[in-house]
Order: sequence, then C-alpha cells, then structure tokens
Amino acid sequence: NAGVTQTPKFQVLKTGQSMTLQCAQDMNHNSMYWYRQDPGMGLRLIYYSASEGTTDKGEVPNGYNVSRLNKREFSLRLESAAPSQTSVYFCASSEAGGWGTPSYNEQFFGPGTRLTVL
Amino acid sequence: AQSVTQLDSHVSVSEGTPVLLRCNYSSSYSPSLFWYVQHPNKGLQLLLKYTSAATLVKGINGFEAEFKKSETSFHLTKPSAHMSDAAEYFCVVSDPGDYKLSFGAGTTVTVRA
Repeated sequence: NAGVTQTPKFQVLKTGQSMTLQCAQDMNHNSMYWYRQDPGMGLRLIYYSASEGTTDKGEVPNGYNVSRLNKREFSLRLESAAPSQTSVYFCASSEAGGWGTPSYNEQFFGPGTRLTVL
Repeated sequence: AQSVTQLDSHVSVSEGTPVLLRCNYSSSYSPSLFWYVQHPNKGLQLLLKYTSAATLVKGINGFEAEFKKSETSFHLTKPSAHMSDAAEYFCVVSDPGDYKLSFGAGTTVTVRA
C-alpha cells in the first residue's frame, strides 16, 4: 500500500495564479483532510470531507476550495494564489466516519506539498 | 472545544540521556490523544495514541506517554535518546466522534553527540 500520496511535491506560483493540489489514499478510509503547516503554528485544518460527497470548512478555509472526487481522492484548489498561502500543505485520511469505525480519529498523513507564492 | 499546549518549543538532549516532551490538553470530554513525529522535510508519523484504555501507552522507537486526567497532561518520554530522534514532535487531541484534530505548536528535539 502506498498510503496517502500527494502531487506535486513542490510548486512555485506567481500571485494570482491558480493551481490544484491532488491527494489520494488507498486505505479505503472514509474521511480526508487538508492542512497547512506554518512555522510555530502546528497544523491548521483547511477543509475536510467526512465521507464521499460531503465537505466542510475547517479553521482556515478562506482562499481555498476542495473537491471529494470519489472515496480515494480529495483535491485542494487555490483559485487566485496570494503570498500568504505560501506554506506546506498536508493531506490526511482516517477511518472515522463510517458505521462501526473507531470513535478516535487516527489520521494518516501524506508527504506534503511545499508551495511558494511570489 | 479541545486545545493543546506544548510547554517547550525546543528541547536539546545528549545522545543516551532521557527525553521528556511536555503536553497539556483541554477537553470537555474524554479525549483521544496522539503524539506524531515529523522528520525534516517529511510527513507526520504516528508515535502512539491514547484512546481510553491503559493510561501508560507505549509507542514505536522506545517512546511512551502517560495520560494523567487529574493533571490534564500527556507527556512523552524516552529513556535514552538516539541521534535519529532529532525531529519535531506534535501533541494532538481529539474529542470522541469529532473529525477535527487540534495540534500543539510543536517541540523541536535536538540530539547532541
């Protein structure tokens, strides 16, 4: 199993450009998440999808959109990139959300995408 | 809502000496607690988790943590540090049935030879 995969690994954008970060998991997990990591702030949740067909805002959703394409894939889109969106982006998945799944939310993380907006 | 405070932003230890990373949490419920490790330029890896079973939890690579409800703490320890333990460590809390995790700001561990 590859676990959680993310593409691309690195990206440089100019202010105003758009791009989509891709994430896929092969663990048959119900829920998927997008985080951003900035120095000294831990990880902050951008959006999450509790199950296929549903998405919800997290702590810092402004400037982002998401799509849960199917159970495996969850993409994050920046419509008009800004320098404040320079960060490392992590995708994660979890069993949580299905019938009979654990009540605790152990999440499995991808390797990250390092994004710079100039 | 749950929250986490990691009491040290940076810890420096000598190889072979004990490591202690401190974490206090706030939750209105009986939370689940996790420690994740992040090596430079890598993703996050689960070290261990507490999910309301035994209060002393053993994880990978010789780490363990003790859940103390009276002190609202979940400190991470290792008896003997190795050079490969140099990384950033995150304490994480989650309320039952909640999709969201709350991350601490992280503790950077440096191991001196």
